[in-house]
Amino acid sequence: QKEVEQDPGPLSVPEGAIVSLNCTYSNSAFQYFMWYRQYSRKGPELLMYTYSSGNKEDGRFTAQVDKSSKYISLFIRDSQPSDSATYLCAMSQSGGSNYKLTFGKGTLLTVNP
Amino acid sequence: DARVTQTPRHKVTEMGQEVTMRCQPILGHNTVFWYRQTMMQGLELLAYFRNRAPLDDSGMPKDRFSAEMPDATLATLKIQPSEPRDSAVYFCASGLALRGQPQHFGDGTRLSIL
Repeated sequence: QKEVEQDPGPLSVPEGAIVSLNCTYSNSAFQYFMWYRQYSRKGPELLMYTYSSGNKEDGRFTAQVDKSSKYISLFIRDSQPSDSATYLCAMSQSGGSNYKLTFGKGTLLTVNP
Repeated sequence: DARVTQTPRHKVTEMGQEVTMRCQPILGHNTVFWYRQTMMQGLELLAYFRNRAPLDDSGMPKDRFSAEMPDATLATLKIQPSEPRDSAVYFCASGLALRGQPQHFGDGTRLSIL
């Protein structure tokens, strides 16, 4: 079993839909949780960064972490065609000098106009 | 915006050849990471450095891969000899070794070994 599991999709939704992306993990030592967005032929770019359990909102994006269930989610409200990309979850045990990230394989999202 | 710069963006070469990939981290960042991305395995950490010293290279095949930071503005990843299974996109990322600080990625080197 991989440390981080993520459904690869692909996921296709109409413009304006609410999108839910999820990851599960097995290592209870993970404390920092991130979502990266990767456009085709580009490097991943950080979308959301959270510590421990709880919710964090930034514009149309909401990240949720449930450490008791080892489950994290990213919600995208009012999805736009420009949100079409691969979304990668990532986790680390420490945000300090040791922040070796473990990534999910990514979910490919297409938002149709 | 400050960016991580990787060169070359694309590389096609024959099996057995030496390949060198370069990365210029964001000025002031003291941690540099090398990742490899494939469809099968996703994004995997190969090695990372802090203040130019290697901290972890356990993800790297030691017999053919080597990573160095000759100075604070340059990180290199070398493969010698290259094999077809090394074909992948190689990403460099940099960041600050402070709690809560994220990594910033370059746009990668797309490597094809024939």
